[in-house]
Amino acid sequence: AQSVTQLDSQVPVFEEAPVELRCNYSSSVSVYLFWYVQYPNQGLQLLLKYLSGSTLVESINGFEAEFNKSQTSFHLRKPSVHISDTAEYFCAVSESNDYKLSFGAGTTVTVRA
Amino acid sequence: NAGVTQTPKFQVLKTGQSMTLQCAQDMNHNSMYWYRQDPGMGLRLIYYSASEGTTDKGEVPNGYNVSRLNKREFSLRLESAAPSQTSVYFCASSEGGSFYGYTFGSGTRLTVV
Repeated sequence: AQSVTQLDSQVPVFEEAPVELRCNYSSSVSVYLFWYVQYPNQGLQLLLKYLSGSTLVESINGFEAEFNKSQTSFHLRKPSVHISDTAEYFCAVSESNDYKLSFGAGTTVTVRA
Repeated sequence: NAGVTQTPKFQVLKTGQSMTLQCAQDMNHNSMYWYRQDPGMGLRLIYYSASEGTTDKGEVPNGYNVSRLNKREFSLRLESAAPSQTSVYFCASSEGGSFYGYTFGSGTRLTVV
């Protein structure tokens, strides 16, 4: 069975500074990897996903994540954050051809002016 | 608006009471899921339905039952609520499997006293 570890529970960051959220997974088979974002009092929204091919994936709002198979990681980065990026971010993994997603515990990002 | 609709949004129950959480999606998705979200634990899968007519246990099924009423609707029932079931419950759907990512509802905040 797969599992996900998000290495930081809280990340405070100043506006326009870069941010990195770390995610490691464990699985014995090939996987799909996802990042979801949850704004206050809302459901989760898909931010980006890695299925296969290029190891660097990007979202429409400036986030990117890189799949590193040797290190079993899928870290999320943004070079310059905005106040509106304040949210909780969840890394998730699924074994290929499975229905179920396993989520990490989440990382709360707080952006300050 | 297209998406996943959950009702109710808030509920307070007394220990031992029963209730059903409702979920409906209008995207013609095949698969539906119920997760619970607890602080510091991320989201944990309770039950899922890969397709109409099938249901399977997830990571934390004890104390819950589900019904896939039709392709659109997937309900979660608590037969005898316990304080440990105090949580935020999310319903999600996908076209089929994790490959497509999930679409989440806005959640039901349940308190059992």
